[in-house]
Amino acid sequence: EAGVVQSPRYKIIEKKQPVAFWCNPISGHNTLYWYLQNLGQGPELLIRYENEEAVDDSQLPKDRFSAERLKGVDSTLKIQPAELGDSAVYLCASSLLTSTDTQYFGPGTRLTVL
Amino acid sequence: AQSVTQLDSQVPVFEEAPVELRCNYSSSVSVYLFWYVQYPNQGLQLLLKYLSGSTLVKGINGFEAEFNKSQTSFHLRKPSVHISDTAEYFCAVSLPGGYNKLIFGAGTRLAVHP
Repeated sequence: EAGVVQSPRYKIIEKKQPVAFWCNPISGHNTLYWYLQNLGQGPELLIRYENEEAVDDSQLPKDRFSAERLKGVDSTLKIQPAELGDSAVYLCASSLLTSTDTQYFGPGTRLTVL
Repeated sequence: AQSVTQLDSQVPVFEEAPVELRCNYSSSVSVYLFWYVQYPNQGLQLLLKYLSGSTLVKGINGFEAEFNKSQTSFHLRKPSVHISDTAEYFCAVSLPGGYNKLIFGAGTRLAVHP
């Protein structure tokens, strides 16, 4: 069974440029998460989707970050414009719907903003 | 609010020696507890989880953890480590009946030396 797929794996951009990350969850998983992992820290939830609905985006900086999950499958996370402090790893995870189900993580996208 | 403290940022150990990675949590209600491992340039992988029942939980790769409610701890142990266990280990909590929101500690880097 294929795991969570993310692309690109690495991205280097200059500040003020836009950037987008893509995630394809495990087939059949209706819950999708985007996490931010700063260097030396644990992941922090940015946004959670149940199917195509964003049910928790309280930690998403909405002035520059946006996300979508069209058709309840793939998801895209966008930053516009990027700032130096956005350099981090962006992780995508997916799970089934219940509170006890395991979250499966993708390999992440490492963003460097110059 | 819930929080997780991983007491050691780095743990060096020799191959075939036992290891314990410490995790304490803070919560006014019952929680679910998790240990994830992150190998270099990879996503997080679930080692084990405690939902209820026996306080000793066995996971993959020979790891186990013990839930201690009175000490609000969930320490991870392995009786004999291998070079391949070198990785970052994250302890996390979530709320039963909630929507599976993971709150992570800052991580412990386990370095196994020959």
